Amino acid sequence: GAGVSQSPRYKVTKRGQDVALRCDPISGHVSLYWYRQALGQGPEFLTYFNYEAQQDKSGLPNDRFSAERPEGSISTLTIQRTEQRDSAMYRCASSVGHEQYFGPGTRLTVT
Amino acid sequence: EDKVVQSPLSLVVHEGDTVTLNCSYEVTNFRSLLWYKQEKKAPTFLFMLTSSGIEKKSGRLSSILDKKELFSILNITATQTGDSAVYLCAVDLYGDYKLSFGAGTTVTVRA
Repeated sequence: GAGVSQSPRYKVTKRGQDVALRCDPISGHVSLYWYRQALGQGPEFLTYFNYEAQQDKSGLPNDRFSAERPEGSISTLTIQRTEQRDSAMYRCASSVGHEQYFGPGTRLTVT
Repeated sequence: EDKVVQSPLSLVVHEGDTVTLNCSYEVTNFRSLLWYKQEKKAPTFLFMLTSSGIEKKSGRLSSILDKKELFSILNITATQTGDSAVYLCAVDLYGDYKLSFGAGTTVTVRA
């Protein structure tokens, strides 16, 4: 079956613009996680949802970052007024238990 | 501050060699430790360990956890070029699978 998909796969934006990154989890997966991965590092937790409820957003770096999952399926991570330091790979994962299935990520470059 | 440290950062071996990867952790709370393999795209799940001293095996890969000394080992025997990847270790602190990752070990297997 289909895995976790993310779009766009690559996004180049100018500093100060807003971006929206989409995650389409595996059908039926209750939990959805957002991570950010810098080059040469492991993924860093941002936020997660069970169904449509955001359970923890302690990893979001500041209030320019927000996420939603309104119908308990697709999720959007939004970054407002992007800055160069926001450049990274943004990954999403979904699960029904301990095994998280990761998507291919969105490579965000802020110029 | 919670820490997950992997060593070595990278290694190069020849096909048929055995590799041992280390993951040590200092965390405020511990529920489980997970290993992932990351090739060009997304991390894929290998093992989850919750109890000390019980080895988990999958083919040529095996892993064990020591909760007293706060580390885990991932072994790969009879390595093949397809084992070349970044191996990530992660700790689940609170049982909600909000994972704290190490930086990874890059394994290169030469033919």
